Amino acid sequence: SQTIHQWPATLVQPVGSPLSLECTVEGTSNPNLYWYRQAAGRGLQLLFYSVGIGQISSEVPQNLSASRPQDRQFILSSKKLLLSDSGFYLCAWTGNVHEQYFGPGTRLTVT
Amino acid sequence: GENVEQHPSTLSVQEGDSAVIKCTYSDSASNYFPWYKQELGKRPQLIIDIRSNVGEKKDQRIAVTLNKTAKHFSLHITETQPEDSAVYFCAASKETSYDKVIFGPGTSLSVIP
Repeated sequence: SQTIHQWPATLVQPVGSPLSLECTVEGTSNPNLYWYRQAAGRGLQLLFYSVGIGQISSEVPQNLSASRPQDRQFILSSKKLLLSDSGFYLCAWTGNVHEQYFGPGTRLTVT
Repeated sequence: GENVEQHPSTLSVQEGDSAVIKCTYSDSASNYFPWYKQELGKRPQLIIDIRSNVGEKKDQRIAVTLNKTAKHFSLHITETQPEDSAVYFCAASKETSYDKVIFGPGTSLSVIP
């Protein structure tokens, strides 16, 4: 069966520091991968999605970037964090049947 | 692009009553409509979905209906229980190899014991 991992689970970072969040998927090949951000009490904001290695589509212009160095690995990065980057970051994947499944998430607090 | 609206934003029901959440979408090419439940502090979980070739789908106490002509779909929860309290998101997509899932803003459901 398919499993999606995210780490770290929680992170507290000062403003201006870099960020790297990692997501990996097991048990499937060539998945579509997604990064979402959820502010406290809010909905799901799609940040990036990828349909293959090296293929990244950005939904929201901001100080974040994403990369997909391997088929089942998706990385979210920032060179300098802002206070507004705080939130719950969720990685998700879809396979052939288009059902989307979410990872456990990373709770980021920028101080 | 696709836009998904969802109502109500908050819903409070007595335990045992039914709850209905309604969503509309804008892109007539959308053909896959999932519903997610997100408990506090946890990831969204897929609870039921419906595809455009079906008008209704049921799984125990939850059901989803789809009206493609009117471009709206609904989630029905019967005999609500306190553990049904959560935020529910509807979504729409076109099920192509490159399409993204567009989520509604969410409905916070509270079931009062």
